[in-house]
Amino acid sequence: GAVVSQHPSWVICKSGTSVKIECRSLDFQATTMFWYRQFPKQSLMLMATSNEGSKATYEQGVEKDKFLINHASLTLSTLTVTSAHPEDSSFYICSARGPWVLGAGSYEQYFGPGTRLTVT
Amino acid sequence: AQTVTQSQPEMSVQEAETVTLSCTYDTSENNYYLFWYKQPPSRQMILVIRQEAYKQQNATENRFSVNFQKAAKSFSLKISDSQLGDTAMYFCAFSKAAGNKLTFGGGTRVLVKP
Repeated sequence: GAVVSQHPSWVICKSGTSVKIECRSLDFQATTMFWYRQFPKQSLMLMATSNEGSKATYEQGVEKDKFLINHASLTLSTLTVTSAHPEDSSFYICSARGPWVLGAGSYEQYFGPGTRLTVT
Repeated sequence: AQTVTQSQPEMSVQEAETVTLSCTYDTSENNYYLFWYKQPPSRQMILVIRQEAYKQQNATENRFSVNFQKAAKSFSLKISDSQLGDTAMYFCAFSKAAGNKLTFGGGTRVLVKP
């Protein structure tokens, strides 16, 4: 099946610094990727939709200048948390829209394993 | 905007028994997709089952089946013959279209006891 990877799986950074998280579709091209955030013991909240070659679409309440998303190729989207603070500590999950599946008559969406961000 | 509600924060079930998880949603769309995802301790999201709203037949995947009631906007998941490996968080999710962004419910933690 289709695989989505994220790097790093866990990152610790100091308050005020920036950190970049990569999301890659390994065996398929993904024109659309999604970034979610998950706080401990809570659900996933969509942050933004990343479209290859165009600007990301952010959900209401998400600071686009703080969470920079770049989808520069058909297999890579990046999320940069700028000037990170402890409240940005969370689990970040990306997903990618895969190719049309004839048998299902639908697109499939594939999730990465997530990145745990800790800001000290 | 769509909302998804899971009213059971936690459920426990004996191994080999059946457990049913509830999910209700709110939308003005007529065509849409509903999903159940499993998130084990590894936190990798795993698709369990999905239902297209235009299909009246309830989806089934091995031990997992759903009861989709479109008029009531209800989408419950039944896990039959529960196994220890079913222990996980389960999220109900809504999407306007296939491969589109997902709106998740709050989740239900399922604990399968030996």
